[in-house]
Amino acid sequence: NAGVTQTPKFRILKIGQSMTLQCTQDMNHNYMYWYRQDPGMGLKLIYYSVGAGITDKGEVPNGYNVSRSTTEDFPLRLELAAPSQTSVYFCASSYVSGQGTEAFFGQGTRLTVV
Amino acid sequence: QQQVKQSPQSLIVQKGGISIINCAYENTAFDYFPWYQQFPGKGPALLIAIRPDVSEKKEGRFTISFNKSAKQFSLHIMDSQPGDSATYFCAASDFGNEKLTFGTGTRLTIIP
Repeated sequence: NAGVTQTPKFRILKIGQSMTLQCTQDMNHNYMYWYRQDPGMGLKLIYYSVGAGITDKGEVPNGYNVSRSTTEDFPLRLELAAPSQTSVYFCASSYVSGQGTEAFFGQGTRLTVV
Repeated sequence: QQQVKQSPQSLIVQKGGISIINCAYENTAFDYFPWYQQFPGKGPALLIAIRPDVSEKKEGRFTISFNKSAKQFSLHIMDSQPGDSATYFCAASDFGNEKLTFGTGTRLTIIP
């Protein structure tokens, strides 16, 4: 029962490098999300997806790209990494229960850009 | 636009005391109000949630109070314990839009 799995857990990037943060869920949820959490701060939505083939921007999409080719996977691509992208990144998926939306989060990826 | 405002940003409570975190929302279409708990190094996880047809929901030491007319809701932690030290997020959603809107988070520290 894996839930939401993110890889890698930690990564150090040099300025200008690119990388992909992987996220996969095994709960067959339609909605998936990427958030970033800066130290001592809240969650900021980067991108979200309502299903395979459909993505939309959140609050802070600049510098990131996403794709959703399957229900299970929602990778986040960083192009030309910048120090401002140093953060902890959380992937989440959600479903609507009888009460309302319940979100399930991965363990996070701690990214440092130097 | 911040649709869910959360306060305080940080809170220190003595063991055994009551911790209170407040949230206010703007969107009157919101009809589901969960609280998430996040321990250091972990992702947030659902703690307790309420719908606006009730004014209070209690689960163990955790209680949500909801005031529909004021568009406010709060989390009360009774008999706070060091193990409750975590970051707490309020959130809101409406049934027609699955996406959750999160508050900015409160870092709670329970001291002995």
